[in-house]
Amino acid sequence: DAGVIQSPRHEVTEMGQEVTLRCKPISGHNSLFWYRQTMMRGLELLIYFNNNVPIDDSGMPEDRFSAKMPNASFSTLKIQPSEPRDSAVYFCASEGTDHNEQFFGPGTRLTVL
Amino acid sequence: RKEVEQDPGPFNVPEGATVAFNCTYSNSASQSFFWYRQDCRKEPKLLMSVYSSGNEDGRFTAQLNRASQYISLLIRDSKLSDSATYLCVVNSGAGNNRKLIWGLGTSLAVNP
Repeated sequence: DAGVIQSPRHEVTEMGQEVTLRCKPISGHNSLFWYRQTMMRGLELLIYFNNNVPIDDSGMPEDRFSAKMPNASFSTLKIQPSEPRDSAVYFCASEGTDHNEQFFGPGTRLTVL
Repeated sequence: RKEVEQDPGPFNVPEGATVAFNCTYSNSASQSFFWYRQDCRKEPKLLMSVYSSGNEDGRFTAQLNRASQYISLLIRDSKLSDSATYLCVVNSGAGNNRKLIWGLGTSLAVNP
């Protein structure tokens, strides 16, 4: 199994631009999580999906952030418009029905100038 | 008080030492607990779940103290390869209603 796949691995963009992060979970996993990690705030859960349905998006910072999961093998996290304070590492993780272990992708390192 | 708190460290220990980390949580209704390990510029990976009765995996022992609301991780005979950040995770949701709160992590450096 290839594990959780994220793209791009690095993204540098200018303030105001739209950013789209992509995630392919492990096949057969039914839960998908989007996290943001910074030095100051650590790992923050933004949103998670169960069977492609958003269950809790209370961690999404504001309306500039949106996430979709159109099918079991793909999810996107979009920031529009991006701001410098959005600079962070964004992780996607997936989990099976046992709820016992989250498998993380390698992350997308986002820099907004 | 933060929902999940860890001593950020860094803990600097020599090879072979025993080191212990604690993680406190504020929500007494928390259901499940985990320790993850994160290497520098890498993704977190599950180290071990924490069970009510305590559990051991080789050199690693995890304990849960519900009365005092903390979990602990003990590493015996530490190796250079144990150098990493250790994150505790607390789930205070139930079933599919997950409420996962992550600590900021404790940094461990094992020195030769």
